[in-house]
Amino acid sequence: AQKVTQAQTEISVVEKEDVTLDCVYETRDTTYYLFWYKQPPSGELVFLIRRNSFDEQNEISGRYSWNFQKSTSSFNFTITASQVVDSAVYFCALSPDRAAGNKLTFGGGTRVLVKP
Amino acid sequence: DTGVSQDPRHKITKRGQNVTFRCDPISEHNRLYWYRQTLGQGPEFLTYFQNEAQLEKSRLLSDRFSAERPKGSFSTLEIQRTEQGDSAMYLCASSLTGRGYGYTFGSGTRLTVV
Repeated sequence: AQKVTQAQTEISVVEKEDVTLDCVYETRDTTYYLFWYKQPPSGELVFLIRRNSFDEQNEISGRYSWNFQKSTSSFNFTITASQVVDSAVYFCALSPDRAAGNKLTFGGGTRVLVKP
Repeated sequence: DTGVSQDPRHKITKRGQNVTFRCDPISEHNRLYWYRQTLGQGPEFLTYFQNEAQLEKSRLLSDRFSAERPKGSFSTLEIQRTEQGDSAMYLCASSLTGRGYGYTFGSGTRLTVV
């Protein structure tokens, strides 16, 4: 069975502060994919990043960065210099690395509120 | 291509009525997924199609739920004899076949059963 845990339910910051979202996962698969999605108030899930379990390199994309540590089964996400537009719910998700179906298992989400 | 489209965006129905939702995936995507998201929770997998074949169904999908994808294009999700517990956001997503492709999600259909 697969499980994703996002222990922080809500984080509130003031604009320009950094915010780090934690994600811990459980899986018996030896290869898998990890994802982060953003869900703004409009409701649509917006894809942010996908990482393969073989690739533990950290990644930076603009103000976003991701820290993948297989040894601790964590895939944390940092927003640097947060902006009001970053206010949303962020979901971490996990899928098996199989050709026959790659359904996602989502965490419960972390609501980020960035105040001006 | 404008992405994954879902219709309607909102649906309010009385308990016991049947409802049907539609999803139009990205045209070249042969996989289509349905998820359900209740308030304050992450999305939960319901079912997925590869082309017109329904390959997996979650135990969440009771016998009141049925999904189809005729001709491997759009998909419909029908809920019969709706219950208040069915109130949720129903999300559709599509992807290419293969390992690790990210999904593209639609904006969802919010169902309220009164």
